[in-house]
This record gives sequence, C-alpha cells and structure tokens, in this order.
Amino acid sequence: DTGVSQDPRHKITKRGQNVTFRCDPISEHNRLYWYRQTLGQGPEFLTYFQNEAQLEKSRLLSDRFSAERPKGSFSTLEIQRTEQGDSAMYLCASGATYNEQFFGPGTRLTVL
Amino acid sequence: AQTVTQSQPEMSVQEAETVTLSCTYDTSENNYYLFWYKQPPSRQMILVIRQEAYKQQNATENRFSVNFQKAAKSFSLKISDSQLGDTAMYFCASDLMEYGNKLVFGAGTILRVKS
Repeated sequence: DTGVSQDPRHKITKRGQNVTFRCDPISEHNRLYWYRQTLGQGPEFLTYFQNEAQLEKSRLLSDRFSAERPKGSFSTLEIQRTEQGDSAMYLCASGATYNEQFFGPGTRLTVL
Repeated sequence: AQTVTQSQPEMSVQEAETVTLSCTYDTSENNYYLFWYKQPPSRQMILVIRQEAYKQQNATENRFSVNFQKAAKSFSLKISDSQLGDTAMYFCASDLMEYGNKLVFGAGTILRVKS
C-alpha cells in the first residue's frame, strides 16, 4: 500500500495525558499537512511542513500541540495535557505539488 | 479570510439519477484551486475532482463534473448516474497558494443514494 498511513487509528486517553500520533506520507512527497476534524464538520488546518521545515501553524495549534517532521519523512503530532475538547479525528495529508493533497485514514482521539 | 460555504447539509438522490451539490467561496486571491473531496463512512478522504481558477473550462472526471462560476464564486458538483457507492459526505475546499496550499473546507454535504 503506497498511500498515506497513520498510526494509531484510534486512541482513547484520560484527560491530562500526553498522546503522540504518527503520519507516514506517500514516499517522496515533500509536503505534509495536519488537519483536525470534529464530528459533522469539515477538516481544519493545523500545520504544514515542506520537507523538514514547519512553515505554518494555525492559531488552533495551542502551546500544548507540537509537530515534527525529522529528516522530511514521517511526521509526529503530540498533544500534551489532553483536554476533552481535543477529541477529534486528526488527519494527515501529503502532496508532491501545490495542487494535490492525499489524505490518510486519520487517528480518532477520544479524551475521557 | 478565505471561507467556503456548503448550504445543503443533506441531500438524497435515487440510484441512476443526477444530483448537484452546491458550494460558494470567498477569496481575495486571483489564483487558486478548488476541490471536491468525498469521505465515505469509513472516513478516508478521497479527491473527487479539482479545478484551477484560471481555467474557464469546467473539470470533468467520469460521472463527476463541476460548474465553476468564477465571478459568482460558485463551484457546484454534479454527479451523474448516481451509484450506491456515492453515498458519502462531500466536502468542497479551496486552497491558499500563498500559504503552502493549505485547504479551507466547507462544512460538508451528506449525500445518500437510495436504491
């Protein structure tokens, strides 16, 4: 399978715990995006990487959120001190050019 | 700020018939892309069709076509010969080329194809 993969697919955690999600983009895609989608809504942009450089972060990304893309390959999104409002689907997308984004299956986070 | 509006929360269509999903957007950009994405119940987002704003010709992909009205900032999706597998949430999205092409999505339209 050469599509975008995300791990884990589901994560249940207690409020206050830290969680980390991983995204593996399509090979050789230099652009990588993270989005957050709450139930019944469209995805909202969180952050964008071009290769290993994080070029933009949304105001939605509070100080508790951090994302990395070491060596320009896979990316991780960490949420510290999770809150119930963080419950959502976290989507990763990658692309080789500016007019395409291929999405992964997402990580569904439930904060109890 | 760039916004995308989908005014139809839910739509239904009979199998084999045609349905049109509406989308309007607001942008001050001159060059941008517009997209329709499909998200089936399994929730993996799939690109259905895309349109370059500087191209006047409407994009077509098999049974899917768009009606792009740049002056009206309208971008509707027409699905012909609807199939049960078309049942999904459909999102309209535009990108901001200046900012790494991050996508701005509408709230989505649930499409149900009935047999």
